[in-house]
Amino acid sequence: GAVVSQHPSWVICKSGTSVKIECRSLDFQATTMFWYRQFPKQSLMLMATSNEGSKATYEQGVEKDKFLINHASLTLSTLTVTSAHPEDSSFYICSWPSTDTQYFGPGTRLTVL
Amino acid sequence: GEDVEQSLFLSVREGDSSVINCTYTDSSSTYLYWYKQEPGAGLQLLTYIFSNMDMKQDQRLTVLLNKKDKHLSLRIADTQTGDSAIYFCAEILYYNTDKLIFGTGTRLQVFP
Repeated sequence: GAVVSQHPSWVICKSGTSVKIECRSLDFQATTMFWYRQFPKQSLMLMATSNEGSKATYEQGVEKDKFLINHASLTLSTLTVTSAHPEDSSFYICSWPSTDTQYFGPGTRLTVL
Repeated sequence: GEDVEQSLFLSVREGDSSVINCTYTDSSSTYLYWYKQEPGAGLQLLTYIFSNMDMKQDQRLTVLLNKKDKHLSLRIADTQTGDSAIYFCAEILYYNTDKLIFGTGTRLQVFP
């Protein structure tokens, strides 16, 4: 099956710093992929749709200047949390679409002190 | 609306069957999915059903879809301790085929 990797798995940073999360599709290419956020004991919430070669599409309530998305290639997308604050602490999961579904990365746990 | 609801918690004894339920409000679903999430991990696709189907069976998993009642269920036969996880149902709507709408998640606990 499809394999999606994320790096890093877990990051702890100080408030005010920026954190970059990478998401790679190892088995297939796609011009569109997705970034989700999951708070403890909650469901996944779509943050944005990343589009290769153009700007990302953000969901309502998600600040585009805070969560910078770069869809560098058909197999790589990055999410940068700029000037992170404790309320940004969450589990960030990426996914790449395939024919009838999406394949999810293992997630990145961000803890902002 | 795009609400997808699940019960929060289910506990079963090893070897019994588990039934996880999901209700949704938007009848425009094309595909409905069940994902499994183990602690600290991403989501694993378990199975999915197309909206014109009533049932799908895949080894220990049986998915039932009642479109009239907008109700989806996942039955796990012979539940094992390794099945302990959070289970999410999700739907894709025909008019927004990129967006997965996730349920609230059901935590399944299997005890010996």
